[in-house]
Amino acid sequence: DIVMTQGVLPNPVPSGESASITCRSSKSLVYKDGKTYLNWFLQRPGQSPQLLTYWMSTRASGVSDRFSGSGSGTYFTLKISRVRAEDAGVYYCQQVREYPLTFGSGTKLEIK
Amino acid sequence: EVQLVESGGGLVQPGRSLKLSCAASGFTFSNYYMAWVRQAPKKGLEWVATISTSGSRTYYPDSVKGRFTISRDNAKSSLYLQMNSLKSEDTATYYCASSSGFDYWGQGVMVTVSS
Repeated sequence: DIVMTQGVLPNPVPSGESASITCRSSKSLVYKDGKTYLNWFLQRPGQSPQLLTYWMSTRASGVSDRFSGSGSGTYFTLKISRVRAEDAGVYYCQQVREYPLTFGSGTKLEIK
Repeated sequence: EVQLVESGGGLVQPGRSLKLSCAASGFTFSNYYMAWVRQAPKKGLEWVATISTSGSRTYYPDSVKGRFTISRDNAKSSLYLQMNSLKSEDTATYYCASSSGFDYWGQGVMVTVSS
């Protein structure tokens, strides 16, 4: 199984600052089509997860351009620019390169 | 508006069975792979099952393989999860989600396995 390992944020992050969340996979998530099968989600308190980016760097419909995904085949970063109170919650990376699909353990973002 | 509405959760004893349902609307259900994802209390997300558009292919992690069965009825735009031989560690909120992109999620339904 592909293991997803997420980093920890130095919370809380001051409003207006940037935050970068990291995720590492135990195997390359690049498929033969050249795409990197890595999703990022935000789960706000008491809510269902919301897709932020897919294929590592493509923003989902309606997602603010303050969110940007980047990385290589095994190391990924979600950058949140000018953080706001509404960005608070737990961020998860997920690999959809192969079954079983696996999530990282989550990274909590608190806003000051 | 896309909606995924789960139902069928509740309290069940260990070893018993439970069937979850998910009613979809607002998108062409039959064109999407669909999935169940769960979240134990205060824990992270765990993928539970995925089914192909026709239902001919299903995928499970080892933690539920042989005990859980995902199915769908495209005519009813509905997704199901039959859970047998339930264990305490299956206690979680179960989410229905579109697996073609995980862009649509339901609000979740709670399943508690306890005697």
